[in-house]
Amino acid sequence: DADVTQTPRNRITKTGKRIMLECSQTKGHDRMYWYRQDPGLGLRLIYYSFDVKDINKGEISDGYSVSRQAQAKFSLSLESAIPNQTALYFCATSDYREVETQYFGPGTRLLVL
Amino acid sequence: AQSVTQLGSHVSVSEGALVLLRCNYSSSVPPYLFWYVQYPNQGLQLLLKYTTGATLVKGINGFEAEFKKSETSFHLTKPSAHMSDAAEYFCAVSPTGNQFYFGTGTSLTVIP
Repeated sequence: DADVTQTPRNRITKTGKRIMLECSQTKGHDRMYWYRQDPGLGLRLIYYSFDVKDINKGEISDGYSVSRQAQAKFSLSLESAIPNQTALYFCATSDYREVETQYFGPGTRLLVL
Repeated sequence: AQSVTQLGSHVSVSEGALVLLRCNYSSSVPPYLFWYVQYPNQGLQLLLKYTTGATLVKGINGFEAEFKKSETSFHLTKPSAHMSDAAEYFCAVSPTGNQFYFGTGTSLTVIP
């Protein structure tokens, strides 16, 4: 079984719709991250959380929000999706005892029409 | 601000040839450095990392990288390319282990 799972794996939505991407982990890690990947731009950090009560903005948080419902769950929401949010989204986790090592989920491919 | 520069968005090598993927970074403090590999339709997998200590780091699948502080570089090498090495490779830096900054990636093609 995968340690870091993301749902859905693929999603097509329309401009203006609200959408939520979910991430779950069974690794027991305290830290969780959301990234987006665009061709030619690499990965950019959207939000990160060091525990349930801690939420931090990353490089490109505008247009996104997150919720850390439990240590194992970290959701990313697009309140009103727009086409330039079309991207591949990755969740990652790390542990405070080895903060420099991140474990990535398989990604969610999002298309906003 | 932190930045990571990967020279060459596409690199092609012949099977059995040396693989060299270049990465330079800017950081105000000695950072943690990483190389990740991404196969098609998959997430990123850690190849190797430098935190402290020996500057030559060995990773999985025969890859290694050397941290050169004076050159602010962390180039990835493999003596002999294999077809299965074809993938996208990302260099990343983290000054403190809290936030991570990725390069734009290098797509490696291995020619039979």
